[in-house]
Amino acid sequence: ELKVEQNPLFLSMQEGKNYTIYCNYSTTSDRLYWYRQDPGKSLESLFVLLSNGAVKQEGRLMASLDTKARLSTLHITAAVHDLSATYFCAVDSIGNRDDKIIFGKGTRLHILP
Amino acid sequence: GAGVSQSPRYKVAKRGQDVALRCDPISGHVSLFWYQQALGQGPEFLTYFQNEAQLDKSGLPSDRFFAERPEGSVSTLKIQRTQQEDSAVYLCASTQVGGRRTDTQYFGPGTRLTVL
Repeated sequence: ELKVEQNPLFLSMQEGKNYTIYCNYSTTSDRLYWYRQDPGKSLESLFVLLSNGAVKQEGRLMASLDTKARLSTLHITAAVHDLSATYFCAVDSIGNRDDKIIFGKGTRLHILP
Repeated sequence: GAGVSQSPRYKVAKRGQDVALRCDPISGHVSLFWYQQALGQGPEFLTYFQNEAQLDKSGLPSDRFFAERPEGSVSTLKIQRTQQEDSAVYLCASTQVGGRRTDTQYFGPGTRLTVL
């Protein structure tokens, strides 16, 4: 059964600091998604990572994928308050027993001014 | 419209009532997904349509849950005899092409269901 684990689940950080959110998954997959969700809102797609070594950047966010380690990271550079949200990773398990997209529990990020 | 829309946005039901949740995907999108998101959790897959065909309903938690997409566009998720554990946000997403292996799922705003 595919499991997706994110850590930390909660993160409070100061503006201007750097930090990394980790997403580990338990079985083979070659497609990983990062989403952002603001309170009371729906999910907004941030990145889709399609292959080992993939790196994508948008503004202060950078995502990478290591399929051999079954690990993706979302790195935040010089955080600003507007980045406060919950961030989810999701893994495509097609071909595995579960045959669906599995989400992590999310990382609730709070950036202090 | 430009995005995925869902209605109602909020629904309060008494335990035992039936509810119907509607999803209007982006026009022309082939695939449609339903997810259930409990408070403080990530979305959990419920079911998946490609056009009007329901290709996967393995995530539906019980036979009280039923989904349809009769004309391959609008979809309805129906929950019969609602229970308190059904309280959650129900999210709908659509993708342009068929199959799950797509680049981006576009999510609707969700329907927050509260069962009293």
